Amino acid sequence: AQSVAQPEDQVNVAEGNPLTVKCTYSVSGNPYLFWYVQYPNRGLQFLLKYITGDNLVKGSYGFEAEFNKSQTSFHLKKPSALVSDSALYFCAVTFTPDNAGNMLTFGGGTRLMVKP
Amino acid sequence: DAGVTQSPTHLIKTRGQQVTLRCSPISGHKSVSWYQQVLGQGPQFIFQYYEKEERGRGNFPDRFSARQFPNYSSELNVNALLLGDSALYLCASSLEGNSNQPQHFGDGTRLSIL
Repeated sequence: AQSVAQPEDQVNVAEGNPLTVKCTYSVSGNPYLFWYVQYPNRGLQFLLKYITGDNLVKGSYGFEAEFNKSQTSFHLKKPSALVSDSALYFCAVTFTPDNAGNMLTFGGGTRLMVKP
Repeated sequence: DAGVTQSPTHLIKTRGQQVTLRCSPISGHKSVSWYQQVLGQGPQFIFQYYEKEERGRGNFPDRFSARQFPNYSSELNVNALLLGDSALYLCASSLEGNSNQPQHFGDGTRLSIL
């Protein structure tokens, strides 16, 4: 079984400061990892993914994430937060050995609050 | 280009009724997945369809069913509604439905059960 943990319900950061949203995962093989953002009354927007290769992946809106296999983590980062980054962030994992099917398992979400 | 579209946006039903939710994927996407998001939680996988065939099913009762049409649009049906079925139902599409492809989500249908 696969699982995702987002240990922080909420992260508070001042505008202009760096931000980190934490994610750890558990799968029985090599994971495919994703970050999504959700604004109020909207669906999820894809930010970035890690499939293979470079452990640091870059995504939309200046976000990046670092894959750490030994710590089974995939933390989301941004060098300089904007007030408009305030939203709900979800980490998700999938693992399908034969690459058939794409069931995503999501974490519980982390609310990011960026204050001016 | 249009994204994933879902209808209706909101729906109010009473216990025991049946509901059908609809989803149109991004043009060219052949795979559609359905997720249930209860307030305050992450989405939970319900179904995946690819080329009209069910490719995956989550841990949901048989009251939940779905299908995909030749134009790749999809419907999710829920019978004998319970209060606990109140949630945001999200549809997501991807090109071929493989696990290394990102899924693109619609804005969801918010279902309220009275």
